[in-house]
Amino acid sequence: EDQVTQSPEALRLQEGESSSLNCSYTVSGLRGLFWYRQDPGKGPEFLFTLYSAGEEKEKERLKATLTKKESFLHITAPKPEDSATYLCAVSTQGGSEKLVFGKGTKLTVNP
Amino acid sequence: DAGVIQSPRHEVTEMGQEVTLRCKPISGHNSLFWYRQTMMRGLELLIYFNNNVPIDDSGMPEDRFSAKMPNASFSTLKIQPSEPRDSAVYFCASSLYGGADTQYFGPGTRLTVL
Repeated sequence: EDQVTQSPEALRLQEGESSSLNCSYTVSGLRGLFWYRQDPGKGPEFLFTLYSAGEEKEKERLKATLTKKESFLHITAPKPEDSATYLCAVSTQGGSEKLVFGKGTKLTVNP
Repeated sequence: DAGVIQSPRHEVTEMGQEVTLRCKPISGHNSLFWYRQTMMRGLELLIYFNNNVPIDDSGMPEDRFSAKMPNASFSTLKIQPSEPRDSAVYFCASSLYGGADTQYFGPGTRLTVL
């Protein structure tokens, strides 16, 4: 069974304190790995898609990386507005085309 | 583009009542997804459609849940009869080409069943 595990469940940072969120996955064959941001009371907002090990993508203070077993979302010099829950999801080769989501990491950045 | 539109945003109902949630996908998207999000289980796929046809409904909890997509711009998720354990946030999402493509989510419907 395809599984996605995110860690930590919650993370508190001071403004400017860089850190990383982890997404580890167990799938039969990875087709793509997705990162989403979710603010309270809103739907998940798409951030990145990664397709192959070694791939990296950046957007403002966020950088996503991918290996054969996990992905990291690096947050450089975070600001309070980066506070949100970050969700990771995978799509797999073969079988039903659908995303399997992790339970997310709730990030709080204090000013 | 207006993005994915869902209605109502909040629904409070009593156990046993019928509930209908509505979704308008992004224009031009061929795939539509219904998800349920709870604290305990996270985000779970209930059903998805390609070109208005249901492809995978293995996530639909039981016969009380049904979903339809009569045309490319409208879908409904119906719960009849509703139960307190159905209380959750229900999201609709759409993508250009299937479940492996980037999905764009609506704002969700928060359902409370008393």
